[in-house]
Amino acid sequence: QKEVEQDPGPLSVPEGAIVSLNCTYSNSAFQYFMWYRQYSRKGPELLMYTYSSGNKEDGRFTAQVDKSSKYISLFIRDSQPSDSATYLCAMMDSSYKLIFGSGTRLLVRP
Amino acid sequence: KAGVTQTPRYLIKTRGQQVTLSCSPISGHRSVSWYQQTPGQGLQFLFEYFSETQRNKGNFPGRFSGRQFSNSRSEMNVSTLELGDSALYLCASSGEGGKTEAFFGQGTRLTVV
Repeated sequence: QKEVEQDPGPLSVPEGAIVSLNCTYSNSAFQYFMWYRQYSRKGPELLMYTYSSGNKEDGRFTAQVDKSSKYISLFIRDSQPSDSATYLCAMMDSSYKLIFGSGTRLLVRP
Repeated sequence: KAGVTQTPRYLIKTRGQQVTLSCSPISGHRSVSWYQQTPGQGLQFLFEYFSETQRNKGNFPGRFSGRQFSNSRSEMNVSTLELGDSALYLCASSGEGGKTEAFFGQGTRLTVV
């Protein structure tokens, strides 16, 4: 079993839809949680960072962490075609290495 | 503020050769991590350096090595290249390695022929 599980998609939604992306994890030592967006042939771009359970909002993006369920989510409101990319969740314990999910491909249709 | 800079962007090497990749972190950041990204395995951790010391290492063979200089710039070396080493190699920098966000460079795409 992988430490971090993420549905690879692809996930196809119409423009303006609310998108929900999720990851589950098995290591209770993970303390820091991040979401990255990666366009084709580019490096991952940090979208959200959190280190506690609860919600964190930044513009159209909301990150949610539930440590008791070992479950994290990223919500995108009013999705745009420019949001089409691969979304990666990543987690870190005290060992200074990020463990990534496999990434979810998102396609927002105009 | 300049982001993470990786050079070169693209490389083509022959099996058996060696290669050195470079990463300049964000100014003020002292932690540099390296990752390998392939379609089959996704993003995998190689190693992390902080103040010129390797603090953690992933499950890669000894052909993969790295170092960090006093200005926090880092290099990664792969010796005796194999076809399976073809990948996007990404470098990430953070302020205190694990305590703050990690920002990635654009990567170096290595093709081994």
